Amino acid sequence: GAVVSQHPSRVICKSGTSVKIECRSLDFQATTMFWYRQFPKQSLMLMATSNEGSKATYEQGVEKDKFLINHASLTLSTLTVTSAHPEDSSFYICSARDTDSNQPQHFGDGTRLSIL
Amino acid sequence: RKEVEQDPGPFNVPEGATVAFNCTYSNSASQSFFWYRQDCRKEPKLLMSVYSSGNEDGRFTAQLNRASQYISLLIRDSKLSDSATYLCVVNRAGGFKTIFGAGTRLFVKA
Repeated sequence: GAVVSQHPSRVICKSGTSVKIECRSLDFQATTMFWYRQFPKQSLMLMATSNEGSKATYEQGVEKDKFLINHASLTLSTLTVTSAHPEDSSFYICSARDTDSNQPQHFGDGTRLSIL
Repeated sequence: RKEVEQDPGPFNVPEGATVAFNCTYSNSASQSFFWYRQDCRKEPKLLMSVYSSGNEDGRFTAQLNRASQYISLLIRDSKLSDSATYLCVVNRAGGFKTIFGAGTRLFVKA
């Protein structure tokens, strides 16, 4: 099946640090990638939709200057959490989907971010 | 009202039981449907796509009723390893929007 690789899987860093998370589709071209955040015992929350070669579309309430998304190629999207603070600690998950919007999303393993 | 609604759960069932999850969606333009499972502190994994004709994969059967805008997942002969959160997922037509249900937690006990 389709494989999506997300890196790193775990980050622990000091407040004020910027953290970059990579999401790669390994065996298909993903014109669309999605970034989610999930707090403990809560549902997945879509943060933004990333389309290759264009600006990301952010969900309401998500600060685009705080969460920078770059989707420079059909296999790579990155999320940078700028100047992270403890309240940004969460489980961040990316997903990718093939060009056919009838296809399911395939998720990366997720990144557990802890800001001290 | 949420665009995709699921049974609130949790479901607590003994091993070997049959359990059914229901899901309704409100956007009639929805075009593709899926069930995912998510284990604690892990990413969601695709369980199966859902087709109008109904489809089965081993102990799992998914049904779609477009007229009623209703999706179901049936798990037969539940195993301990089936314990997870089950997410109903809908792709809207003509765009890139995917809507996730809040999930239903299943606990299978020995």
